[in-house]
Amino acid sequence: EAAVTQSPRSKVAVTGGKVTLSCHQTNNHDYMYWYRQDTGHGLRLIHYSYVADSTEKGDIPDGYKASRPSQENFSLILELASLSQTAVYFCASSDALGQDTQYFGPGTRLLVL
Amino acid sequence: QQKVQQSPESLIVPEGGMASLNCTSSDRNVDYFWWYRQHSGKSPKMLMSIFSNGEKEEGRFTVHLNKASLHTSLHIRDSQPSDSALYLCAASGNYGSSGNKLIFGIGTLLSVKP
Repeated sequence: EAAVTQSPRSKVAVTGGKVTLSCHQTNNHDYMYWYRQDTGHGLRLIHYSYVADSTEKGDIPDGYKASRPSQENFSLILELASLSQTAVYFCASSDALGQDTQYFGPGTRLLVL
Repeated sequence: QQKVQQSPESLIVPEGGMASLNCTSSDRNVDYFWWYRQHSGKSPKMLMSIFSNGEKEEGRFTVHLNKASLHTSLHIRDSQPSDSALYLCAASGNYGSSGNKLIFGIGTLLSVKP
């Protein structure tokens, strides 16, 4: 089965601090995604990428940056963490955009205090 | 407003019963539908997908799609306690400059009672 790993699995951050969430996939997939999940909002797409060294904005990119240094790795960066960014973050990968199964990592639970 | 709307928000069915979940898109650009299942504390996993009008069956799970009304439904027969989870419907289509991304609904929380 396709493998996506995330680190850290949980994190407590302070308001205004910098947070980096990392994702690694061994599926040889071109597409990688970052989602956040909140009660009442479901899964919302933050950023995605289809090739190394290039990222695209998703539906809620404000306050987040993304980096894709290689096909296998995709990071989400919160330069100035805020209380509203407390959520569970999922990374996913797929072969194609919107037309192929997305494989999700285990998630990172982020608490911003 | 959510582009992908699911109902009901929550559902309780007895073990062995039938669970029926609904999903509708408000966007005429949608042409693919997916159902993901997420157990508590876990990540979503794709359960079934449907792209053509009609019905698709895999074991105890059946998915229907009506492309004219952009409505899909998931039916679980002989429901088991292990089916208790959040069921997420997702749709993708040609959103122009936004590409072909997946849009997720908020989900239906299914609880199967022994």
